[in-house]
Amino acid sequence: AQTVTQSQPEMSVQEAETVTLSCTYDTSESDYYLFWYKQPPSRQMILVIRQEAYKQQNATENRFSVNFQKAAKSFSLKISDSQLGDAAMYFCAYRSDLNSGGSNYKLTFGKGTLLTVNP
Amino acid sequence: NAGVTQTPKFQVLKTGQSMTLQCAQDMNHEYMSWYRQDPGMGLRLIHYSVGAGITDQGEVPNGYNVSRSTTEDFPLRLLSAAPSQTSVYFCASNSGLNSYNEQFFGPGTRLTVL
Repeated sequence: AQTVTQSQPEMSVQEAETVTLSCTYDTSESDYYLFWYKQPPSRQMILVIRQEAYKQQNATENRFSVNFQKAAKSFSLKISDSQLGDAAMYFCAYRSDLNSGGSNYKLTFGKGTLLTVNP
Repeated sequence: NAGVTQTPKFQVLKTGQSMTLQCAQDMNHEYMSWYRQDPGMGLRLIHYSVGAGITDQGEVPNGYNVSRSTTEDFPLRLLSAAPSQTSVYFCASNSGLNSYNEQFFGPGTRLTVL
């Protein structure tokens, strides 16, 4: 079974600075998807960024980027120019397909990292 | 589109009571799932459905029943609530139509069992 580990229960960053959240995972599959989700106090789960394992290039979405190291099974999230609105719980997640083709799948989540942004 | 909606937002039950958490989506998604989130934990899959009339168990199915009579609705039933079921419950749906196939989450239901 796949496992996802987030070793930093809490992180803090100064507004406008850069912060990196760590995630490692364990899998025997060669092709898969990884995600970072943001959960603000409203509890809504918001997809931040996704990475397909077969793509060498690291995904980027505006101020959010990942460092995907497939051999090391590492998937960190970098937030640049941090804003007060970035304060939230961040979850790393691994997608496990429940059928061939991946139309149906489940997400396995890490325990999360609580990010505080200081003004 | 309203997306994925869940009712109620909050609920308090006594041990042994039953209740149904409602989930609906208006995106015509075939696939729907229920997750629970316990304090200090990520979400864990309870049950899922691949279409109307078809459901299956996830990682933590004990104590929960589901059914899927329509594409839009996927209710989660607690037949006899236990304090261990105190959690936040999320419903999610995805279309299954492309490689991205993003799972959209509802706003969650916070359930407390006394």
